[in-house]
Amino acid sequence: GENVEQHPSTLSVQEGDSAVIKCTYSDSASNYFPWYKQELGKRPQLIIDIRSNVGEKKDQRIAVTLNKTAKHFSLHITETQPEDSAVYFCAGGGGGADGLTFGKGTHLIIQP
Amino acid sequence: NAGVTQTPKFQVLKTGQSMTLQCAQDMNHEYMSWYRQDPGMGLRLIHYSVGAGITDQGEVPNGYNVSRSTTEDFPLRLLSAAPSQTSVYFCASSTSWGNEQFFGPGTRLTVL
Repeated sequence: GENVEQHPSTLSVQEGDSAVIKCTYSDSASNYFPWYKQELGKRPQLIIDIRSNVGEKKDQRIAVTLNKTAKHFSLHITETQPEDSAVYFCAGGGGGADGLTFGKGTHLIIQP
Repeated sequence: NAGVTQTPKFQVLKTGQSMTLQCAQDMNHEYMSWYRQDPGMGLRLIHYSVGAGITDQGEVPNGYNVSRSTTEDFPLRLLSAAPSQTSVYFCASSTSWGNEQFFGPGTRLTVL
């Protein structure tokens, strides 16, 4: 099955700086890579996703890049704001019938 | 649309008790899943269903049963609760593994 590794587990950045979270995956059949944001006590919510036929996708201050050859993908958040503080999860899958596999999460802390 | 709903929000059980966590969605999604979330472990797939009458095991199925008699409902049964099942449980639904998963609000379960 798929194995998704996520780093770092905790990331602290100054407000206004950029944040980068990285994930690797193992199954070359995986073709869908979403990122979810989870605020304290809330449910995970999709913030951006990318499919294997695309190398990069942007949505305002967030972007995701995918390197299929190296089997890694990254989340980039620019001009960080206090409301970006949350736990972020990457996931991989979509290539078979056995679901999405999630990374262990990154706790992003925005320092004022 | 209510989206994905879960009941109860909180539950305390004694070791050996059984219970059912309810999940329902009104988006006519074929795919439904149950995850458990433990600190530092991310979201781990317990069981999933790709349509009414079809269920399969995920990464951590032991101690749990599911059934899918309708498209809307996907209950999770704990057969004989153990302290190791103390966790937050999320139900999710989607049109496929390659599309956004919509999460319910979660059930926080404590087993004493």
